[in-house]
Amino acid sequence: QVQLVQSGAEVKKPGASVKVSCKASGYTFTTYAIHWVRQAPGQRLEWMGRINAANGNTRYSHKFQDRVSFTRDTSASTAYMELSSLRSEDTAIFFCARNNLEGAGYYMDVWGRGTTVTVSS
Amino acid sequence: DIVMTQSPLSLPVTPGEPASISCRSSQSLLNSNGYNYLDWYLQKSGQSPQLLIYLGSNRASGVPDRFSGSGSGTDFTLEISRVEAEDVGVYFCIQTLHTPFTFGPGTKVDIK
Repeated sequence: QVQLVQSGAEVKKPGASVKVSCKASGYTFTTYAIHWVRQAPGQRLEWMGRINAANGNTRYSHKFQDRVSFTRDTSASTAYMELSSLRSEDTAIFFCARNNLEGAGYYMDVWGRGTTVTVSS
Repeated sequence: DIVMTQSPLSLPVTPGEPASISCRSSQSLLNSNGYNYLDWYLQKSGQSPQLLIYLGSNRASGVPDRFSGSGSGTDFTLEISRVEAEDVGVYFCIQTLHTPFTFGPGTKVDIK
């Protein structure tokens, strides 16, 4: 079945970086984009950006663009999100989600289960 | 950035009764292609968000027909014709017309 499987929980110190993976299965990886969404405690969901799995083109939210990087490995059907210069406010669940590159809209029809990142000294 | 608001933020519901959630955007979400770039998601406790409605009024695959989306421009509504117990959770709207995509604050729906 179609699914996105994310890597496990991480605990990081302030100033460190974290890299989260999102492995796709059950569909052709390169026909979709992968979005990354952050859910911090008590905060509304935040869209971090997206990567076109076909050509690797990225679009970042200005809020994160100075310290986030999206990459993908098409041979492994896996997308990656790396966030650097972590601070306590980055403690959150990070979700990946796909949207079809064809047709209108950027709706995300399949989501990963989320990766919890805790930033603590 | 486009600001999304929702009302109410909390909605106690009675099973079998209808429910309605409003979502408003600070700018029009109507694209030149005729679609409104507004989607609705439900996040049940401890789960990932799940797509309910896309492009304003299109039900996602597998979504029961008691869910419907309407509206255009800056005002949108999600309606549940007859609430069921499994519908509890937090409902979010999101605009995807302009980056950064932005979410509403969420409406928490629970059973009275």
